[in-house]
Amino acid sequence: NAGVTQTPKFRVLKTGQSMTLLCAQDMNHEYMYWYRQDPGMGLRLIHYSVGEGTTAKGEVPDGYNVSRLKKQNFLLGLESAAPSQTSVYFCASSSRDGPYEQYFGPGTRLTVT
Amino acid sequence: KQEVTQIPAALSVPEGENLVLNCSFTDSAIYNLQWFRQDPGKGLTSLLLIQSSQREQTSGRLNASLDKSSGRSTLYIAASQPGDSATYLCAVSFGPTDSWGKFQFGAGTQVVVTP
Repeated sequence: NAGVTQTPKFRVLKTGQSMTLLCAQDMNHEYMYWYRQDPGMGLRLIHYSVGEGTTAKGEVPDGYNVSRLKKQNFLLGLESAAPSQTSVYFCASSSRDGPYEQYFGPGTRLTVT
Repeated sequence: KQEVTQIPAALSVPEGENLVLNCSFTDSAIYNLQWFRQDPGKGLTSLLLIQSSQREQTSGRLNASLDKSSGRSTLYIAASQPGDSATYLCAVSFGPTDSWGKFQFGAGTQVVVTP
């Protein structure tokens, strides 16, 4: 039982390049989330999904897109990377049944130069 | 916008001393609160989750209390050890519209336990 996994672990992009971060969970959770963590700012929600085929914007969605084609996978895309998107990205999941305890992946450290 | 605050931002204690970590939130209409531990360069590990109907939760040396009326949760770690050194974050789910599981995070308290 791997829990929540994220690929890649590290990535360096040049400004304007694109990439996709993959999150996978094997706990059969309905809800999945993408966060970014920046020093001194805590975690901020980018996008979330309450089920296969549905996504919604969180607190800081600009510059990102997401897709949830399969229940176990949640993809985060950067179409044109900017230095402001340098951050650590975390994926999390939770069951749709309360109390919605969140389980996190190990994170992806992204640097945009 | 609801806010979650953790003070202090950093804390250093000698081994064996009890740790007291604070989390404050601005809206008493919370659904639940979750405490996490984060080691440097790692993901978040769930420690305890307290539902709004509960006043405390315990797991081993950890005890978390919840006082909705004062907008505060406290995480107690008894008899601290150097292995407890980490950043501790609290996250609050505000309901009822957010009760499906969207959390607001505090910035965390960085803890160092010295031998």
